[in-house]
Amino acid sequence: DAKTTQPNSMESNEEEPVHLPCNHSTISGTDYIHWYRQLPSQGPEYVIHGLTSNVNNRMASLAIAEDRKSSTLILHRATLRDAAVYYCILRYAGTASKLTFGTGTRLQVTL
Amino acid sequence: GAGVSQTPSNKVTEKGKYVELRCDPISGHTALYWYRQSLGQGPEFLIYFQGTGAADDSGLPNDRFFAVRPEGSVSTLKIQRTERGDSAVYLCASSLTPYDEQYFGPGTRLTVT
Repeated sequence: DAKTTQPNSMESNEEEPVHLPCNHSTISGTDYIHWYRQLPSQGPEYVIHGLTSNVNNRMASLAIAEDRKSSTLILHRATLRDAAVYYCILRYAGTASKLTFGTGTRLQVTL
Repeated sequence: GAGVSQTPSNKVTEKGKYVELRCDPISGHTALYWYRQSLGQGPEFLIYFQGTGAADDSGLPNDRFFAVRPEGSVSTLKIQRTERGDSAVYLCASSLTPYDEQYFGPGTRLTVT
């Protein structure tokens, strides 16, 4: 499986935008970029995914570099409830099944 | 609607004992996954079911671990002769089809003493 690299931790102030980076230099043309997050004492939660174009949903936006070797998850206005570990995961389009999690980025949000 | 549920939420057992962990997926979801998460780590894949059959069990660490999904809905993860190293949070997830996003349950925290 292609690997992803994320910072171990990031901090943000409440009500400000947060940009969470992910590097995936060995991504293949058929790998989708998925983001999940895990709030304290809960199971992971799907956030967003994309292939080539930028994506928006009610939770976040996903910006994908033109060469697809990196992506950024954007939370437009962080709240205390967004404090979580965020995982960037590559998922091969031709293989349904498992998600391969790394250690993710722990996001702290302060007042 | 109801999400993925897992029982028990906590299980403490002695080394060498047998345990069963249950997962109730979202109704209508055909795919079901088991993961294990150790402290400070991301979840680690164990096994994936499509319907009643195990489509990928490559993550099961050894033959002490076994899982079933006899009617294509509820699944049970079974661990024989538990070891202290089996202590972890066991997470279950389901998805409508194998290509869709996965919905996770809250997990079962297993502690082997």
